[in-house]
Amino acid sequence: DAGITQSPRHKVTETGTPVTLRCHQTENHRYMYWYRQDPEHGLRLIHYSYGVKDTDKGEVSDGYSVSRSKTEDFLLTLESATSSQTSVYFCAISESDNQPQHFGDGTRLSIL
Amino acid sequence: KQEVTQIPAALSVPEGENLVLNCSFTDSAIYNLQWFRQDPGKGLTSLLLIQSSQREQTSGRLNASLDKSSGRSTLYIAASQPGDSATYLCAARPYSGGGADGLTFGKGTHLIIQP
Repeated sequence: DAGITQSPRHKVTETGTPVTLRCHQTENHRYMYWYRQDPEHGLRLIHYSYGVKDTDKGEVSDGYSVSRSKTEDFLLTLESATSSQTSVYFCAISESDNQPQHFGDGTRLSIL
Repeated sequence: KQEVTQIPAALSVPEGENLVLNCSFTDSAIYNLQWFRQDPGKGLTSLLLIQSSQREQTSGRLNASLDKSSGRSTLYIAASQPGDSATYLCAARPYSGGGADGLTFGKGTHLIIQP
């Protein structure tokens, strides 16, 4: 299995609080991604990174920011969490653009 | 905007049958297409990746095909087993030149193999 660790695995928080999710990889892959998975919409891309300090927006980036200061870590931040951001969040990595994406085990986030 | 559709949404078959899962996409300008399985409460496991220049890929009892011109991909599972029960997702990667763009996913086919 690809060496991807997401933390925390579960989190419950209140509306309006800041939340940071961490994705850590041990594969030294260049590309990293954040997705969210919801029953109604399936998996959708939030943000992605194509190198240290190089990031770009995905389909559903509003309300989210990301940072990548090291190759191995990709952080997703909800500046002021809302109930609509309750979801399961997945991190993925890939070595290059013609290689498969590999996913972490996910973070289940509940915002009350 | 790329849209990916998977039919059927759910499928239940007896053990031992060969089966085909379907995936269609609206924009043929894709870089590659990837098939995954997802077990309940788990992450996604990559099964097969087909590059846009390829027609099919095989791994064990799995065979995935790609027809870009018609916007279709199929995942063939031979001699199905109860352990194959899972949700199967297909995802298309857009051809944007940079290649770093994320995947567009279908909503999956929930497969149950009856012992």
